[in-house]
Order: sequence, then C-alpha cells, then structure tokens
Amino acid sequence: GENVEQHPSTLSVQEGDSAVIKCTYSDSASNYFPWYKQELGKRPQLIIDIRSNVGEKKDQRIAVTLNKTAKHFSLHITETQPEDSAVYFCAPGGFQKLVFGTGTRLLVSP
Amino acid sequence: GAGVSQSPSNKVTEKGKDVELRCDPISGHTALYWYRQSLGQGLEFLIYFQGNSAPDKSGLPSDRFSAERTGGSVSTLTIQRTQQEDSAVYLCASSLGWGTETEAFFGQGTRLTVV
Repeated sequence: GENVEQHPSTLSVQEGDSAVIKCTYSDSASNYFPWYKQELGKRPQLIIDIRSNVGEKKDQRIAVTLNKTAKHFSLHITETQPEDSAVYFCAPGGFQKLVFGTGTRLLVSP
Repeated sequence: GAGVSQSPSNKVTEKGKDVELRCDPISGHTALYWYRQSLGQGLEFLIYFQGNSAPDKSGLPSDRFSAERTGGSVSTLTIQRTQQEDSAVYLCASSLGWGTETEAFFGQGTRLTVV
C-alpha cells in the first residue's frame, strides 16, 4: 500500500513569510499529486494539483513542485496571510485507494 | 445536488446502539470514499468504492463497521454496537473516473458522538 508522510507536522510563520510543506510517498506508480486545505470546522478542499508530466505549477501565491525520482512533492505558499492558517494534506494518487498524508497545521500570525 | 451531501450533520447516540450515516455523491462520480477524522487528527481511510468493482474495505477498523453503495450512487456507512471511541467526524468524498487521479469532493461530514 501507499505510505504517505508530510513534514513538518506543524509550521508557524509570520504574515508575509513563505511556507513550504513536503510530502513523501512510496508508490512509484503515483501520477497525480494534489494538495488539500482544511480550515477549522470545514471540509477539505483541493487548492492545487500537478500531474507527473509537469515539474512545477503555480497559482498566484501557491505552487507545487514535484520530484518523481525522489518520490516527493512540495507545497509552497508565498506572502502568507492569516487566512492561510489551516491544515494541509497531500494525497498522491494512482490506481489504488486515495490515501492522505498525516497533515500539516500551518499557523500564520499577523 | 451540486455537491456531496451527507446526512445527518450531527448524530448523538448511546453506546451500544447502531447508527447509519448516508452519503449522496455528485451525480456521475464513480468513486466514493469514507474517511474518519477524530478531533485535530488526519483523515483515516475507511472504505473505497469504484464503479462496480468490489470495494476496498481495508481501512474498516473492526467488523462493527460496514458500508454499501446501492446502484453506484448513494452509500451508507453502518456502525453496529457503537463505542465511545467511534466518536468522530465521518467524511464522504466522491470523484470522477478512477478516482485517485482526479479531484476528490468532500461532503460536510457527519459528527458522531457516542455517549
């Protein structure tokens, strides 16, 4: 089965700083690499994803980078804002069940 | 509906009673998942339905838990003889195609409290 790990488990930054969260996985067949954001008391929602034929994707202040050889991908958030405070989950996908990473709690202080 | 719908939103039950949680996925989505999330914790995989294939039940924590999906649409998660440790938010998600290669859309969850 897929083993998915995220680091760090918690991350505290000052508003305006950058934040990086890393996800490592074990299944070399994975070919879809999404990040989900879960705000307190709400459901997880997709914020950005990348497929294995692309190394990097940006959407305004967020980006995802992929290193398939090393089997990890990362979420980058620049110019962090208090509303970025949430738990972030990765969920590398292939042809088996969808397994989420352990989650990273990001706290952005004003 | 436009999104994944779960019912009830909240359920309080006495220890030892059975409960049924319902999930209505987005129309046309062939993949459906159930997860359990305890307070402040991650998303624990329970079960995965994909089209007409046999479900992946590898995440069900005990034989008190079961799930079915009728007609490739609505799913019901049943917990028999509930225990206090079953208290959590139960989330359902659905997605297109083979599921794990496309965006998963979550319902709002059912908060189960066993007293």
